[in-house]
Amino acid sequence: NAGVTQTPKFQVLKTGQSMTLQCAQDMNHEYMSWYRQDPGMGLRLIHYSVGAGITDQGEVPNGYNVSRSTTEDFPLRLLSAAPSQTSVYFCASSFTGTPLDNEQFFGPGTRLTVL
Amino acid sequence: TQLLEQSPQFLSIQEGENLTVYCNSSSVFSSLQWYRQEPGEGPVLLVTVVTGGEVKKLKRLTFQFGDARKDSSLHITAAQPGDTGLYLCAGARRGSTLGRLYFGRGTQLTVWP
Repeated sequence: NAGVTQTPKFQVLKTGQSMTLQCAQDMNHEYMSWYRQDPGMGLRLIHYSVGAGITDQGEVPNGYNVSRSTTEDFPLRLLSAAPSQTSVYFCASSFTGTPLDNEQFFGPGTRLTVL
Repeated sequence: TQLLEQSPQFLSIQEGENLTVYCNSSSVFSSLQWYRQEPGEGPVLLVTVVTGGEVKKLKRLTFQFGDARKDSSLHITAAQPGDTGLYLCAGARRGSTLGRLYFGRGTQLTVWP
């Protein structure tokens, strides 16, 4: 099993550009989510999904879109990049059963810089 | 406003010392998890506690869930340089979407040889 994979690992954008961060998991997890991590801020939830065709907003959704067409994939789209979106982005997945089942597995992260 | 407050934010200690990290909230959680993150990597689960008052041990790490299920602590005995990392607590809130976790801001631990 590859677990949770993310691409690209690094990306530099200019203000106003758009791009898609890719995330895939091969563990048949129902729940997938995107976080951004900034110094001193911990992990902040951007969007999440409890299954194919179902998505919802987290704490900081503005400027980002998601879709979940398959169980495996959960891409994050930046519509018009801004310097405030410079951050490290993590994708995570988990089962949604009992609390002991919902360990979140994280990808290696995408380090994004917006100039 | 952060649902889970972690303290301290930074901790720098010598090898062999003991330490405790706290994770507090005014909300009740159905479970509480602790993750550790190393530079350039994603967080990795250390433990999940689900019962009020529960204590779990993982070698030199002791995790406790408060009786009221609103707080948790992580105690490390005789810290080693390999314990260095960012420690994050995360809670599953009663009534929230299954799978959704609320993270604290983390405690950056540095253990010097």
